[in-house]
Amino acid sequence: SQKIEQNSEALNIQEGKTATLTCNYTNYSPAYLQWYRQDPGRGPVFLLLIRENEKEKRKERLKVTFDTTLKQSLFHITASQPADSATYLCALQNSGNTPLVFGKGTRLSVIA
Amino acid sequence: KAGVTQTPRYLIKTRGQQVTLSCSPISGHRSVSWYQQTPGQGLQFLFEYFSETQRNKGNFPGRFSGRQFSNSRSEMNVSTLELGDSALYLCASSPGWGLSYEQYFGPGTRLTVT
Repeated sequence: SQKIEQNSEALNIQEGKTATLTCNYTNYSPAYLQWYRQDPGRGPVFLLLIRENEKEKRKERLKVTFDTTLKQSLFHITASQPADSATYLCALQNSGNTPLVFGKGTRLSVIA
Repeated sequence: KAGVTQTPRYLIKTRGQQVTLSCSPISGHRSVSWYQQTPGQGLQFLFEYFSETQRNKGNFPGRFSGRQFSNSRSEMNVSTLELGDSALYLCASSPGWGLSYEQYFGPGTRLTVT
């Protein structure tokens, strides 16, 4: 069956460290992978999109990698801050015509 | 630009009733998707509309339906409500369909079924 697994439900790290979140998938062949941030009581907010032919994408302190052989994406936040505390969701899309399918998310807490 | 708006924000209904939720996308966006979010199942895809046509449908029973109007606004309806339908219903809009677009989410409608 198709599955999207985000490494852990919750991740605690110290301020200033790099947070690394994992998204693994099985029985998908995604052409696109997106990452979102969700704060309590609010809708998700788009962060980054990466295509299957791209190995890595960066935006300010954020970096995403996409390894179609390992069927895995890694999401990094460098120099993490307490304001980065939120739930981070990965989402796959097999093609532009198919829906975005979300993982259950990882709740990140950055401790000052 | 105004963001995605959803009405109502909170709703309490009784089992067996029906409910209609509304979503207004960002101006110029023609694609609207609906998701159900629960603590146990996470964010689950309901349906996606583009140019008033349903393009994709998730694995939900026929009690869940939706439509999109010519101004891109969308509504979803749930008939014969069950306790398990209690959830946050999120609407997201994007500029188009057929490529991978970032989704802009609204604040959601919190539905409680008693």
